[in-house]
Amino acid sequence: LAKTTQPISMDSYEGQEVNITCSHNNIATNDYITWYQQFPSQGPRFIIQGYKTKVTNEVASLFIPADRKSSTLSLPRVSLSDTAVYYCLVGDRDWDTNAGKSTFGDGTTLTVKP
Amino acid sequence: DTGVSQDPRHKITKRGQNVTFRCDPISEHNRLYWYRQTLGQGPEFLTYFQNEAQLEKSRLLSDRFSAERPKGSFSTLEIQRTEQGDSAMYLCASSLSTLAKNIQYFGAGTRLSVL
Repeated sequence: LAKTTQPISMDSYEGQEVNITCSHNNIATNDYITWYQQFPSQGPRFIIQGYKTKVTNEVASLFIPADRKSSTLSLPRVSLSDTAVYYCLVGDRDWDTNAGKSTFGDGTTLTVKP
Repeated sequence: DTGVSQDPRHKITKRGQNVTFRCDPISEHNRLYWYRQTLGQGPEFLTYFQNEAQLEKSRLLSDRFSAERPKGSFSTLEIQRTEQGDSAMYLCASSLSTLAKNIQYFGAGTRLSVL
């Protein structure tokens, strides 16, 4: 089971680009990497998912090196409203077959300052 | 847009009482999940359903916990003889298994406080 390691916290300022790296040394061939965002008193919200190389959507980019042992979530030009906890998950794309085995971990608390 | 809804949002109960939470998933989603989250930690998986079948349960789900999804739509999570250690946020999520990404959509949760 791929365990993930993320920094506990990060600080940034408005307008900066933020990169949050997740280590997953034991990632399996069928595993995908998914990132969620969570605000206080809300459930997690899907941000982005990828398997290899680079994925970009309207919110973020996800960079995955060739060995896939880590991934980096990139948030361009953050604002105060991006202050949240960010979780990296690794699991089979049919995640439900391993539902109890892909865990959220404790995430990275990003604080964006004015 | 009717996302995942959970009821109640907050529940305060005394130790030893039973509580029941309800989750209404996104209507076309066939999979439903329950998680527990305590302060400063990530969500911990409890159990999940595909349609009405409960397919997996975590070791966290003691015999005081029971979950149902009788018609494959809404689900209930009941905790019997609550303990102070049950105080947490209980999150529900749903997904559609036919979607390639199989992304989970979460409700806002039910915060349980056991006094």
